[in-house]
Amino acid sequence: EVQLLESGGGLVQPGGSLRLSCAASGFTFSSYAMSWVRQAPGKGLQWVSSITNGGGTTNYADSVKGRFTISRDNSKNTLYLQMNSLRTEDTAIYYCAKHRGNAYDYPFDYWGQGILITVSS
Amino acid sequence: EIVMTQSPATLSVSPGERATLSCRASQSVSSNLAWYQQKPGQAPRLLIYDASTRATGIPARFSGSGSGTEFTLTISSLQSEDFAVYYCQQYNNWPQTFGQGTKVEIK
Repeated sequence: EVQLLESGGGLVQPGGSLRLSCAASGFTFSSYAMSWVRQAPGKGLQWVSSITNGGGTTNYADSVKGRFTISRDNSKNTLYLQMNSLRTEDTAIYYCAKHRGNAYDYPFDYWGQGILITVSS
Repeated sequence: EIVMTQSPATLSVSPGERATLSCRASQSVSSNLAWYQQKPGQAPRLLIYDASTRATGIPARFSGSGSGTEFTLTISSLQSEDFAVYYCQQYNNWPQTFGQGTKVEIK
C-alpha cells in the first residue's frame, strides 16, 4: 500500500523558515517524480514544486522560486521542502504527491494527508 | 501558463442522477488531462488520467472524455459518497495547472 506521510508543519512568523518532510512507503521511491502541491484555506489546488526521480531536475512555481527548495533522499525514501522567507500568502495545507512516472509529465496518483502551514505574526 | 476553467462552479444533483462536469483549457493539452475528487478534510484522489482512463479502484460510474481543449467528467448515477469537489488538471505543458473546481452538492 502506497503511503505518503508529511511532517514538519506548524505556525511560523513572516520571514521565518520551515522544513517539510514526506516519508514514502509501499512503492519504489527512487523510480518516481515527486511534487508538493498546496491548498490555501477554502481555495483550490496550486502546484508548488517538483523533482525528478533521481533528483537531478527541479522546478518551482514563480510564487515560491528563490524561497523554497525541493530535495529528496532516495536512500531514506523521503521528500523535503525547505521553505524560507515565508509570507502570509504561503499559509496553506501542503500535500506531498507522487507522479505516475519518473518525470513531471504525469498526473499525481497518490497524495499524502496534507500538513498545515500557518504564516502569521 | 495554461489556464483551466471548470464549469459550473456548483452542480446540484439528486442521488441516482447523472452529473456532467466540464473543463476547458486555454490551449490544447492533447489528452494529458486528469480529474481528481476531494472530500472535505481529505487529500485529492485521482479518478481519471489521460482524459479517459480510470485510475486503480475507481468505479465504472466515473468516465472521462475529450481531447484538445474540451473535457468532460461524467458520473452516471450519483452515490452519496460522490458529493465532493472535483478538479481537472493538465500535465501537457509546464507548469501543471488545475481548474478552480466544481462542487457537486446534494439537490
